[in-house]
Amino acid sequence: NAGVTQTPKFQVLKTGQSMTLQCAQDMNHNSMYWYRQDPGMGLRLIYYSASEGTTDKGEVPNGYNVSRLNKREFSLRLESAAPSQTSVYFCASSEIAAGQNYEQYFGPGTRLTVT
Amino acid sequence: DAKTTQPNSMESNEEEPVHLPCNHSTISGTDYIHWYRQLPSQGPEYVIHGLTSNVNNRMASLAIAEDRKSSTLILHRATLRDAAVYYCILRDYLGSSNTGKLIFGQGTTLQVKP
Repeated sequence: NAGVTQTPKFQVLKTGQSMTLQCAQDMNHNSMYWYRQDPGMGLRLIYYSASEGTTDKGEVPNGYNVSRLNKREFSLRLESAAPSQTSVYFCASSEIAAGQNYEQYFGPGTRLTVT
Repeated sequence: DAKTTQPNSMESNEEEPVHLPCNHSTISGTDYIHWYRQLPSQGPEYVIHGLTSNVNNRMASLAIAEDRKSSTLILHRATLRDAAVYYCILRDYLGSSNTGKLIFGQGTTLQVKP
């Protein structure tokens, strides 16, 4: 049981290049999330998918796109990377249900540098 | 989601109890209080949550004020491995827009001295 896995672990991009960050979970969770964390800051939500087939914007969606490929996988794409997107990216998953609490499980993160 | 206020940093000695405070004066009646922590170079991990009553689990205890405007995460015997950033987060699970998303503040950085 691997939990939440992310690839790659590290990436360096030049300004204007594109890339896709991959995330997969093996806990059969309905909901998945992408966060970014800048140095010394808390995490900020980029996009989330409350269930397979749906995606919604979070606090900081500009410059990103997402795809919920299936129940297990949720990818984050940077179409034209900018230095302001240098950050650590975390994927997470959880169950959700009205009136119920479920903890969120996080992956190990992808450290992205845009030069 | 309602806002929380935490001290930027705290220090503790190893094997002593640690009390991490969180103020949430605008908490609503349906907000749960959650705590996550983030060890260095790792993703956050769930610690504990509660609504009104004090809660205990294998990692920590959560003490909630009677008026729910503040709470305290208690680590009973701090170890070096407990050095992390601790986040106090409010979540409304009864709202119609229950999407599971978390709103993180800057948290409290806990240093544990040997």
